[in-house]
Parts: sequence; C-alpha cells; structure tokens
Amino acid sequence: NAGVTQTPKFRVLKTGQSMTLLCAQDMNHEYMYWYRQDPGMGLRLIHYSVGEGTTAKGEVPDGYNVSRLKKQNFLLGLESAAPSQTSVYFCASSSDRFDTQYFGPGTRLTVL
Amino acid sequence: DQQVKQNSPSLSVQEGRISILNCDYTNSMFDYFLWYKKYPAEGPTFLISISSIKDKNEDGRFTVFLNKSAKHLSLHIVPSQPGDSAVYFCAASSPFSGSARQLTFGSGTQLTVLP
Repeated sequence: NAGVTQTPKFRVLKTGQSMTLLCAQDMNHEYMYWYRQDPGMGLRLIHYSVGEGTTAKGEVPDGYNVSRLKKQNFLLGLESAAPSQTSVYFCASSSDRFDTQYFGPGTRLTVL
Repeated sequence: DQQVKQNSPSLSVQEGRISILNCDYTNSMFDYFLWYKKYPAEGPTFLISISSIKDKNEDGRFTVFLNKSAKHLSLHIVPSQPGDSAVYFCAASSPFSGSARQLTFGSGTQLTVLP
C-alpha cells in the first residue's frame, strides 16, 4: 500500500497561472482533506470531501477549488495563483468521520 | 485567533530523559485531541489521541494528559530517543465542525533529542 500520495512534490508558478494538485489514496477511504501549512502556523483545512462527488469548505477555502470525481482521488485547483498561496500543501484521508487522518508527503508550492 | 496554541517553538532534551510538550486550547467545544509527529519532507503521522472523557492515555513511551478545567494537554515521551527528534503538532476537534471532524492544529514544537 502506498497510502496517500501527492503529485507534484514541488512546483513554482507565476502570479496568475493555474495548476492542479493531485491527491490519491489506496486505502478505500471515504473522507479526504486538503490542508496548507505556513511558517509558524499549524495546518489549516482548505476543503474536504466526505465521499465521491461531494466537497465542502474548510477554514481557508478562498482562491481554491476542489473535485472528487473518483473515490480515490481528490484534486485541489488554483485558478489564478497569488503569492499568498505560497505554502506547503498536505492531503489526508480517513475511513470515516472519527478515524485518524493519514497524511501525504506534501507539495511545496511557490508563487512568484 | 488561534484556538490551539503551542507556545514553545522548540525543546531540547537529553537522550533517556523525559520530553514534555505542551498545548493549550480556548474552544470549550473541543472533545477530541490528537498529537501528530512530523519529520522533514514528510507528512504528519498520527501519534496518540485522547477523548475529553479521559484525562490520560498511554501508548508505549508516549502518554497524553488532558486537563479540561485548564484547557491544557501535554505529551510525555519517556525515555526520549534521538529518533523522536521531529516537529510535534497538537490538534483538536469538536463534534460541531460540520460533516467531517475538522482538525484545528497548533503551530508545532520542534523536539530535539540530544545523544
């Protein structure tokens, strides 16, 4: 089992460019999450999904969109990247609402 | 306003001694607390958790204590080992955070265990 994987590991964007981060899990988990981590701060929830075809907003959703077309994948999109979106992005999954969240290795994004 | 605070950005401990990491929270609706450990270039990994109906939970060398009246929890690692050197995040959740258990994280404490 690979667990939770994230693609890409690193990316540099220019302001205004768009990109999609891919999260994949092979644990048949229903719940998936996207977080961002900034220096001196804890992880903050961007969006989450409680099952295929569902998405919901977290604490810091502005500037991001997500899609969960397949149960094993959760995509995070930036339509027009801004320097404030420079961060490390982590994806996580869990089997249900009460289960431990398992995290991917992260994607380091820099927006110039 | 940070609802979960880890006021010590770093902690150094000698190998074999006890490491105590602290976490304070302000939201009285939090009823479930977790500790995650993170190595560089990796995602956080779950370490130990505690429900608000308990005041202590042990798992091997790791013990978490919860003081609800003080809104304070701590993680004790005994004995500390060099492999424990990592960033430790405290997290909390409430049953009223929507359809998923949204975790609120502290800013982390870098633990360094010196050989």
